[in-house]
Amino acid sequence: NAGVMQNPRHLVRRRGQEARLRCSPMKGHSHVYWYRQLPEEGLKFMVYLQKENIIDESGMPKERFSAEFPKEGPSILRIQQVVRGDSAAYFCASSLTRGNEKLFFGSGTQLSVL
Amino acid sequence: GENVEQHPSTLSVQEGDSAVIKCTYSDSASNYFPWYKQELGKRPQLIIDIRSNVGEKKDQRIAVTLNKTAKHFSLHITETQPEDSAVYFCAASRGTGTASKLTFGTGTRLQVTL
Repeated sequence: NAGVMQNPRHLVRRRGQEARLRCSPMKGHSHVYWYRQLPEEGLKFMVYLQKENIIDESGMPKERFSAEFPKEGPSILRIQQVVRGDSAAYFCASSLTRGNEKLFFGSGTQLSVL
Repeated sequence: GENVEQHPSTLSVQEGDSAVIKCTYSDSASNYFPWYKQELGKRPQLIIDIRSNVGEKKDQRIAVTLNKTAKHFSLHITETQPEDSAVYFCAASRGTGTASKLTFGTGTRLQVTL
């Protein structure tokens, strides 16, 4: 039973480019959460999705950031026109059902913006 | 929204001693309180969690206590070992509807010395 899979593990982009981060939840999990972690800091909530629906995007910047979780395929966190401040570790987590459930995290994608 | 504060930010103990990490939360409707351990460069891993209908939970050397009246919860690690060295995060959530996302504390770096 594979855990939460994220790819790539490391992503380097130049300022102004686009970054696409992928997350495949654990088998049977239909709820996906994205968190951002800056060095020496905690995990900041970005967005919560269920298949084909964004449930809560209150932590995601209004511009340049978007997320989706299609019926088929992985969840995608997309950052357009990246800036240096976007450099961080982006973690995806999944849960079996909504609320009161354990979150299982992927290994994260380390985004570096040059 | 929910706000979780965590103390101390760093903690150094000698092997065999106990370690205690404390968190407070602001949303009285929060009812799920997990603790995650994150080793350097690795994913956060759930080590123990507690729901609001119990005051204490124990799993071998790890225990968590919850005081709903005071809105604080604590992680206790007894007989610490070098492999306990990591960053520990507390979190809280309401567990229902759109508020089911976890809000994390800022982390405690635990160093277990020989």
